[in-house]
Amino acid sequence: QVQLVESGGGVVQPGGSLRLSCAASGFTFNTYAMHWVRQAPGKGLDWVAAIWFDGNNKYYAGSVQGRFTISRDNSKNTLYLQMHSLRAEDTAVYYCASGFCSDVSCYAEVQGSWGQGTLVTVSS
Amino acid sequence: EIVLTQSPATLSLSPGERATLSCRASQSVSSYLVWYQQKPGQAPRLLMYDASNRATGIPARFSGSGSGTDFTLTISSLEPEDFAVYHCQQRRYWPLTFGGGTKVEIK
Repeated sequence: QVQLVESGGGVVQPGGSLRLSCAASGFTFNTYAMHWVRQAPGKGLDWVAAIWFDGNNKYYAGSVQGRFTISRDNSKNTLYLQMHSLRAEDTAVYYCASGFCSDVSCYAEVQGSWGQGTLVTVSS
Repeated sequence: EIVLTQSPATLSLSPGERATLSCRASQSVSSYLVWYQQKPGQAPRLLMYDASNRATGIPARFSGSGSGTDFTLTISSLEPEDFAVYHCQQRRYWPLTFGGGTKVEIK
């Protein structure tokens, strides 16, 4: 079955950097779009970034554009999120999620499977 | 960016009752509206896509409707495991956006 395991979270000072990883298994990673979605403590979901199956298209939320970079290594079945210039408001659980395929079609923009998340805390 | 407004913020109901959740978009997203369910301490789970299509394994008591700017998620008869937070998301435009969520709690 699909498994997504995030790592790399932790405590970082404002202005610092962090790289998150998401190890994928149980599906053909190199055929699926991938996403990062975050959730601040006690708040709703906040979509962060997406990358197409081949890495050629990337999309970002306005709040992270220019500070975060999404990437993937299909040879390692791994998704990454490089985060720079971190702010207190970036504190959240960061989830990695895959696109979704039904029996008849695939939907890159839909988050079909999710990892358990990794907590990023930005604090001095 | 598209703003999604979910209402009510909290819905207090008893098992067996019908739940009706609303999601309104700031402009038309056609039928490209997705619903997720999230239980405490867990990751979200895909529930419905493109307004009215149930994801794999989702029971038939869940149904979705709407198009344009107004969407509804209905749970016909609440089971104990349905008490959770429900999030809507539009996939029509980048950046993708979520609503604020509706919590369905036990009355």
